[in-house]
Amino acid sequence: GQNIDQPTEMTATEGAIVQINCTYQTSGFNGLFWYQQHAGEAPTFLSYNVLDGLEEKGRFSSFLSRSKGYSYLLLKELQMKDSASYLCAVRVVMDSNYQLIWGAGTKLIIKP
Amino acid sequence: ETGVTQTPRHLVMGMTNKKSLKCEQHLGHNAMYWYKQSAKKPLELMFVYNFKEQTENNSVPSRFSPECPNSSHLFLHLHTLQPEDSALYLCASSQAIGGLAGDEQYFGPGTRLTVT
Repeated sequence: GQNIDQPTEMTATEGAIVQINCTYQTSGFNGLFWYQQHAGEAPTFLSYNVLDGLEEKGRFSSFLSRSKGYSYLLLKELQMKDSASYLCAVRVVMDSNYQLIWGAGTKLIIKP
Repeated sequence: ETGVTQTPRHLVMGMTNKKSLKCEQHLGHNAMYWYKQSAKKPLELMFVYNFKEQTENNSVPSRFSPECPNSSHLFLHLHTLQPEDSALYLCASSQAIGGLAGDEQYFGPGTRLTVT
């Protein structure tokens, strides 16, 4: 079956760095997305990886290793507003049909 | 503001009621989605429309009925729901479906549905 695993909750300190891991067991891998969702709000797109390596966007970076079925989202210089849930989603393709498989999300709590 | 709006934001309905959720996207996208989000569970894809044609129905009970009159509007008609249907219902849109770099989905704020 298709499966994505993320830690349920993480805590970090303002100004520090945190790494949120995502492991997946899927067939037909076709890309990996990270979304941020603040409580009571819509998920918003953060990053996309389809090739191995690191993608950097300001304070946020996302890494992918397709051979290991592994990705992480790295958040630097943490701010209180980074307190949110972070959703990992893998796009798979089967019989020319594309589908997004979602993880349950990691709730990140930032402490002063 | 993501360019995707949903109404109502909150809805309380009895099990015998009929109601509809509305979604509108102002992004010129061709694909629209309905998701169900329950606490501590992954997003559950319910329906997908591509160029107004339904392409996916993930074994959703018939008490949920989608309608896509054009590529900018999406409805979810609800009738005889059960308490376990209480959840956040999210609408999303994307430029296309799959195969393109960064065909990310843009989400609306959701409708918080409570079935009593």
